[in-house]
Amino acid sequence: DGGITQSPKYLFRKEGQNVTLSCEQNLNHDAMYWYRQDPGQGLRLIYYSQIVNDFQKGDIAEGYSVSREKKESFPLTVTSAQKNPTAFYLCATLPNGGSTDTQYFGPGTRLTVL
Amino acid sequence: AQSVTQLGSHVSVSEGALVLLRCNYSSSVPPYLFWYVQYPNQGLQLLLKYTTGATLVKGINGFEAEFKKSETSFHLTKPSAHMSDAAEYFCAVSEGYGNKLVFGAGTILRVKS
Repeated sequence: DGGITQSPKYLFRKEGQNVTLSCEQNLNHDAMYWYRQDPGQGLRLIYYSQIVNDFQKGDIAEGYSVSREKKESFPLTVTSAQKNPTAFYLCATLPNGGSTDTQYFGPGTRLTVL
Repeated sequence: AQSVTQLGSHVSVSEGALVLLRCNYSSSVPPYLFWYVQYPNQGLQLLLKYTTGATLVKGINGFEAEFKKSETSFHLTKPSAHMSDAAEYFCAVSEGYGNKLVFGAGTILRVKS
């Protein structure tokens, strides 16, 4: 069963704690992306990775970190430096063809910081 | 940098009526344009996309969109709304290195019975 898995679906953390969101794919796609979604603001790019062991900052990278040690996995850590971490986080992948291809999205993780 | 504007954060139509969701973009190069749909607490699903060729693009669930370069628009339409169309819709443009997507703020479509 191919696709993108994000776990958990809902995540609760206390303020000041770091938390890591999982994104796993078995589509054999090279590129992976993390977006943050807030009501009325659409999706904003946090980080992206086009190849293993390489990643770039997106528009709102402050307070976040990522790693890309395996092609299948692109975990996102929300650190205590992120001022307002409560949001819906979406992971996406892109087939290896490039800019005309479709990004495929995972089901998302809703993070609530108490 | 490219940007996307979706006019109307909320649109309400009656079941069976025409659906029109507006999207305008700014881009200095020929754009690749996408429409996605999102149901509550789910990921995004592609409705349709324009890359090159025919400017009228047909997608899933009876939706279509027309790329108008002179108006920098890519409006989404459906002739007859169904209750199952109630969702949030996002227009996006593909941007440069890394094939990143720049999204509009989204339009929530409500379908009244």
